[in-house]
Amino acid sequence: QVQLQQSGPGLVRPSQTLSLTCAISGDSVSSDLDAWNWIRQSPSRGLEWLGRTYYRSKWYSNYGASVKGRITINPDTSKNQFSLQLNSVTPEDTAVYYCARAASANIVVVADAMDVWGQGTTVTVSS
Amino acid sequence: SYVLTQPPSVSVAPGETARITCGGNNIEKKDVHWYQQKPGQAPVLVIHYDRDRPSGIPERFSGSNSGNTATVTITRVEAGDEADYYCQVWDTSSEHVVFGGGTKLTVL
Repeated sequence: QVQLQQSGPGLVRPSQTLSLTCAISGDSVSSDLDAWNWIRQSPSRGLEWLGRTYYRSKWYSNYGASVKGRITINPDTSKNQFSLQLNSVTPEDTAVYYCARAASANIVVVADAMDVWGQGTTVTVSS
Repeated sequence: SYVLTQPPSVSVAPGETARITCGGNNIEKKDVHWYQQKPGQAPVLVIHYDRDRPSGIPERFSGSNSGNTATVTITRVEAGDEADYYCQVWDTSSEHVVFGGGTKLTVL
C-alpha cells in the first residue's frame, strides 16, 4: 500500500522560503510509471496544482503558471522522497499543501489522475 | 488557460440520484478525473479517465464525458456522500493540471 507522509513547518515568514517534504513508502520516486505532484488549497483559490516531477530515463518537471519562477520540486532518491520549495512567499501563499502520486499503466503516458495523497500540511505565511 | 466550470452546489435527497457537471471547451477530447473531499480530509479519486472507478469506489459512482460537459453521477445517494466534488484535467497546451472550482453536494 502506497503512503505519502508530509513534513515541514506550519509557519513561514513573508519573503522567506516555504519548504515541504513528501516521504514515499510502498513505491519509488524513481518509478517510470509515476508522477509526483504538489497541490495547495485555500478558500480563495480552491484546489491549485503547483507542479510535478517524474522520471522517464531522466528527470522532468512541470510547474503551474501561478508560481512559476518561485517554485522548485526536487526528487531525493537516497531518501525516496520529493520536496517543494516556494520562494518569496506572501500571505497569499497561505494554504493547505498536499503531495500526491499520479500512476500510469505504461511509461509512455505521464498520468495526471492523483490516486494517493499525503495528509496535508497547513502553512501560514505571517510575520 | 483551460477553464473548468462546476455548479457551486447540488442538493439531493437520500436514495435519489445526484449529477454533478463539469464544463469545459471540447472537454470530451480530454481525460476527466473526479475527486471527493470531505471536511478536513485530502481529496479521494472516485472516477478517472472519464468513467473508470478506482478499486474500492462503490459502483454507485459513475462518470461520462461528451461534448463540452463531463458528469459524475451518484446513484442511491447516502448521507456519507455529502462532500465537495472536483473535476480535473490535464491541459496539454499549457502543460498544467487544471481543477474545477468544486461542487458542494448536500444530502437533504
